[in-house]
Amino acid sequence: EVQLLESGGGLVQPGGSLRLSCVASGFTFSNFATSWVRQAPGKGLEWVSMIFGGGVGTYYADSVKGRFTISRDNSRNTLYLQMNSLRAEDSAVYYCAKQDGQLIGNYCFDYWGQGTLVTVSS
Amino acid sequence: QSVLTQPPSVSGAPGQRITFSCTGSSSNIGTGHDVHWYKQVPGTAPKLLIYGNNNRPSGVPDRFSGSKSGTSASLAITGLQAEDEADYYCQSYDDRLSGWVFGGGTKLTVL
Repeated sequence: EVQLLESGGGLVQPGGSLRLSCVASGFTFSNFATSWVRQAPGKGLEWVSMIFGGGVGTYYADSVKGRFTISRDNSRNTLYLQMNSLRAEDSAVYYCAKQDGQLIGNYCFDYWGQGTLVTVSS
Repeated sequence: QSVLTQPPSVSGAPGQRITFSCTGSSSNIGTGHDVHWYKQVPGTAPKLLIYGNNNRPSGVPDRFSGSKSGTSASLAITGLQAEDEADYYCQSYDDRLSGWVFGGGTKLTVL
């Protein structure tokens, strides 16, 4: 059974930093791209960042480019998101999501974690 | 403003057939990228409902179906049930943004 378990969320002041983690199980982690997707309170889904299975090659949404860094440790089956220079508009539930598909343009998010809440406030 | 456009809400009575629309552009759906659909019950994580425009993952009832034409896609639910009440999101990839994009979501109310 595929499982994704996020952790690391919490309350942080504007301008602060936070690192999220996502531990994966039930599939060969290194074979699949994985993303972070966030959802602000009462809002829709927003893709944040993606990293290929081998760890080489990353993508970022314009809203987080230069502030967030995605990485992974395949030996620990763990995905990370380092978030710096946090803003109030970064407040959201952050989901870790496994991706699947033949071509990058056809990737879907086939499994999701339960999410971890990040609140940026003074 | 979401890259993919979905109506904010739809409603239907039990047993009815309803459809959800998802409108994109030439840089995403119109380019030929697949459309995928997700169901999210408030307070829980999204769940993949339809992938590759019209394919159902194991465990998703055949009451759910998807289609795509041009720069738009649709999700249909037949035999509407109370448990279908949720938010539904479409998703694709956008070449101009070099990233994955979602619609704003449609809230389904079962009357």
